[in-house]
Amino acid sequence: GAVVSQHPSRVICKSGTSVKIECRSLDFQATTMFWYRQFPKQSLMLMATSNEGSKATYEQGVEKDKFLINHASLTLSTLTVTSAHPEDSSFYICSAPGQGGVGNSPLHFGNGTRLTVT
Amino acid sequence: GIQVEQSPPDLILQEGANSTLRCNFSDSVNNLQWFHQNPWGQLINLFYIPSGTKQNGRLSATTVATERYSLLYISSSQTTDSGVYFCAVSGRGSTLGRLYFGRGTQLTVWP
Repeated sequence: GAVVSQHPSRVICKSGTSVKIECRSLDFQATTMFWYRQFPKQSLMLMATSNEGSKATYEQGVEKDKFLINHASLTLSTLTVTSAHPEDSSFYICSAPGQGGVGNSPLHFGNGTRLTVT
Repeated sequence: GIQVEQSPPDLILQEGANSTLRCNFSDSVNNLQWFHQNPWGQLINLFYIPSGTKQNGRLSATTVATERYSLLYISSSQTTDSGVYFCAVSGRGSTLGRLYFGRGTQLTVWP
């Protein structure tokens, strides 16, 4: 069964609004989670590393004020796309390492969230 | 981050054929995973294989870490094997745990 749950699976919003995406680790604790973005027919690009109890680490070129990440508990990380615009339309996927932790286990991925901004 | 190159970018097969997908990477890795992305975007984890050889049914994978490449073998391909296959790696040190993806191989299997 799924070890990482992501919600919602699909969201359509109007330009200028904010959208929150949740990522939960099931049956295990994840002090670290990762957020990815995928444009149509392209690869997955790492956006940021979500750290429980501390600030997220963003990859170069990713606007931290645009993509707010909160890792409030050991099983939940959220990504908020603020003031969304059509160019933010994309497929967002979260992941978490297994019970062995970062570097000692594979990454498990959620089913993704397809965001469409009109 | 680590550079990941996958080949071929596209592969078209007749059902029943065998295929080999390749993944080259630019540095020492702590983790290497192969994924199959289905048409709905779901990433299916095929192998966690930073080194060595593993087999799962018709699929097998080999990673030669010292030579910085990994191979994914698909035998007796089926139409349900169609989709995009990604190789992803994470390095050591400051990038530990962060998976970097190749561009993928788009596999199409015809009946």
